[in-house]
Amino acid sequence: DTAVSQTPKYLVTQMGNDKSIKCEQNLGHDTMYWYKQDSKKFLKIMFSYNNKELIINETVPNRFSPKSPDKAHLNLHINSLELGDSAVYFCASSQVRGIDTGELFFGEGSRLTVL
Amino acid sequence: SQQGEEDPQALSIQEGENATMNCSYKTSINNLQWYRQNSGRGLVHLILIRSNEREKHSGRLRVTLDTSKKSSSLLITASRAADTASYFCATDAGSARQLTFGSGTQLTVLP
Repeated sequence: DTAVSQTPKYLVTQMGNDKSIKCEQNLGHDTMYWYKQDSKKFLKIMFSYNNKELIINETVPNRFSPKSPDKAHLNLHINSLELGDSAVYFCASSQVRGIDTGELFFGEGSRLTVL
Repeated sequence: SQQGEEDPQALSIQEGENATMNCSYKTSINNLQWYRQNSGRGLVHLILIRSNEREKHSGRLRVTLDTSKKSSSLLITASRAADTASYFCATDAGSARQLTFGSGTQLTVLP
């Protein structure tokens, strides 16, 4: 059973389009994240949700909107896609205990290419 | 902002040799973690070391932490071709409830 699964794995789309990436975890974790990995493999956190509540929102354009219908799902919707949005997007989850973020479990990534 | 910087950016060694990767960070931490990423795959957790620990082992992995120098190292002993991957350090500052990743070291182990 896949612990953190995200779909689609590949997404190729035109500039200006709207797209969504879905993520689900079956680990029972209470915290989920979206990270963006650029072409130089630098990983930057975008959002973090704890029990469906947004707790981290880094300086991400408001064209990016996360949605957490329940604590096992964290989807990412992107409006008006731009060339610079091309990257690999990773979903992750962890069980936060007190101030301890814990070990992150990552999905396999969704490679977004904007033409 | 980026917390960790890794050194070297790329490392190429022969199978059987040891590989050492270093990570430096800027602020105080709760713990530091190392992750591995195979090409085209997600990151996989390797080891976690807490701020009050100095050294930790897991199989062929040895991690050290020097909080006075704000640095950590990952040693992989007797490397194998299958160890070829990118290795990232990640810091947990505690109250931030997130991990901040370093820039990664690309390790290539030649058979």
